[in-house]
Amino acid sequence: AQSVSQHNHHVILSEAASLELGCNYSYGGTVNLFWYVQYPGQHLQLLLKYFSGDPLVKGIKGFEAEFIKSKFSFNLRKPSVQWSDTAEYFCAVNAGLTYKYIFGTGTRLKVLA
Amino acid sequence: GAVVSQHPSWVICKSGTSVKIECRSLDFQATTMFWYRQFPKQSLMLMATSNEGSKATYEQGVEKDKFLINHASLTLSTLTVTSAHPEDSSFYICSATEPSVYEQYFGPGTRLTVT
Repeated sequence: AQSVSQHNHHVILSEAASLELGCNYSYGGTVNLFWYVQYPGQHLQLLLKYFSGDPLVKGIKGFEAEFIKSKFSFNLRKPSVQWSDTAEYFCAVNAGLTYKYIFGTGTRLKVLA
Repeated sequence: GAVVSQHPSWVICKSGTSVKIECRSLDFQATTMFWYRQFPKQSLMLMATSNEGSKATYEQGVEKDKFLINHASLTLSTLTVTSAHPEDSSFYICSATEPSVYEQYFGPGTRLTVT
């Protein structure tokens, strides 16, 4: 069965630290990849997405992600986090020509001021 | 573009009553809509997939008689929680897709509290 793993469940960083959140999926074919953020008490927002082309994708708020096909990974990065980045981050994958997403379990990020 | 709205944004109801949540695609025609449930501090759990004009496909373990989904038009899907109980209290999120665009556009969610 297809699955998406986010190994870091809770991450605590100080402001200005660099961030990398892992996302691995299990599917050998074509995939579309997404990272979403959910701030406390708010709805899901799209950070970035990958469909094809340059495997390094830049998103909003200074986030970027790199698709490494050989590793089945799509890790999210930010060089310097801010207190306002405190939120839950979800990786999602849709495999092949389907509309259905498989979500990871999420990573809760807390940034200390 | 690609805006999805939900109504209401929050609702409180008494145990035993039914609640309807609407999901609308405001600026595109949504052939497929999805309904998710999110418990506090957890990921989104897909409840069902609905295609315009046909019956919804429910995920394993989701009671179709309790969570009635209707996708009567290309811009509107509804989720009705029938005979709601406190354990149905949750955050319900819908999403919608355009034909041949393999990205879901998410609504802002509806917080349901059953007392």
